Amino acid sequence: DTGVSQDPRHKITKRGQNVTFRCDPISEHNRLYWYRQTLGQGPEFLTYFQNEAQLEKSRLLSDRFSAERPKGSFSTLEIQRTEQGDSAMYLCASSPPSYVRTEAFFGQGTRLTVV
Amino acid sequence: AQTVTQSQPEMSVQEAETVTLSCTYDTSENNYYLFWYKQPPSRQMILVIRQEAYKQQNATENRFSVNFQKAAKSFSLKISDSQLGDTAMYFCAFMKQNTGTASKLTFGTGTRLQVTL
Repeated sequence: DTGVSQDPRHKITKRGQNVTFRCDPISEHNRLYWYRQTLGQGPEFLTYFQNEAQLEKSRLLSDRFSAERPKGSFSTLEIQRTEQGDSAMYLCASSPPSYVRTEAFFGQGTRLTVV
Repeated sequence: AQTVTQSQPEMSVQEAETVTLSCTYDTSENNYYLFWYKQPPSRQMILVIRQEAYKQQNATENRFSVNFQKAAKSFSLKISDSQLGDTAMYFCAFMKQNTGTASKLTFGTGTRLQVTL
């Protein structure tokens, strides 16, 4: 499978715990995005990486959220001290360089439930 | 900031019939892209069709076509010969033309399409 891969698919955690999600983009896609999708809403942009550099962060991304993309390959999204409001689907997407194609390819997402 | 509005939360169509999903958007940009993404129950978002704003010709992909009205900021999706596999959530999305910063997508709230026998 050469698509975008996310792990885990589901995560249930207690409020106050830290969680980390992983995204493996399509190889040779230098652009990587994280989105958050709550029930009944469309995905909302969280952050963007071009290679290993995090170039943009949404105001939605509070200080409890941190994302990394070491060596410009896979990416991780960590949420510290989870709150019930963090319950959502977290989607990762990747794109090749913009001069190649513009559209993003999405993973299946990680569904987070904070209890 | 850009906004995308999908005013039809749910729609239903019979197999083999045609259905049109509506989308309007608001932007001050002149160069941008518009997309329709499909999110089946398995939740992986799949690109259905793409439209470049500078192109007057409406995009088509097999049974899927769009009606792009730039002046009206309208971007509807027409699905012809609907199939059961078309049952999904459909999202309209906007993206500014790459200016060297994040080519992020702004999504609407989606339209749930049910194709029935």
